[in-house]
Amino acid sequence: DAGVTQSPTHLIKTRGQQVTLRCSPKSGHDTVSWYQQALGQGPQFIFQYYEEEERQRGNFPDRFSGHQFPNYSSELNVNALLLGDSALYLCASSLSAGAREQYFGPGTRLTVT
Amino acid sequence: GDSVTQMEGPVTLSEEAFLTINCTYTATGYPSLFWYVQYPGEGLQLLLKATKADDKGSNKGFEATYRKETTSFHLEKGSVQVSDSAVYFCARDSGSARQLTFGSGTQLTVLP
Repeated sequence: DAGVTQSPTHLIKTRGQQVTLRCSPKSGHDTVSWYQQALGQGPQFIFQYYEEEERQRGNFPDRFSGHQFPNYSSELNVNALLLGDSALYLCASSLSAGAREQYFGPGTRLTVT
Repeated sequence: GDSVTQMEGPVTLSEEAFLTINCTYTATGYPSLFWYVQYPGEGLQLLLKATKADDKGSNKGFEATYRKETTSFHLEKGSVQVSDSAVYFCARDSGSARQLTFGSGTQLTVLP
């Protein structure tokens, strides 16, 4: 049973550029959440996607956007990158019903120079 | 807003020592509570959970009890191993999306 997968593993970008991160949820899961984890801190909720729509959003600017595809996979896009966007980006998947436990992928390490 | 306050680390213990990592949460709504563990270079793994007051979550020798009266969810293990060295995060869920709010994490190092 495949768990949550994310790509790429690492990414280096320059300030002002745009980046797209990808996530495939655990088999059978239909909901994807994205979190940002700065070095030495706990993850912060960015947003959640269900039925291809943004369901809930945390305190992040509009530069952060996402998408969910019919197969439940998801993308996180960040425009106009800032140095402060350097972080580990974690994707978590869950079921829309029931216990709704979130299972995390290994993350994408984004470095903005 | 919702928040989770976690015992600050780092914590260094000898193998077979008793572990306690304190965690308190804001008492809004009826959250589920979680402990996640993060090994170096990896994502988060769900260690245990509790969904209502007085529930005890347990896994791999770790335990935590949902205490509504003290808004606490302290993590304990009777005898730690070197392989338990990792960062531990306490979390609660909230909102219609059940998004997770995490504490700042506690780095645990267990020495042989």
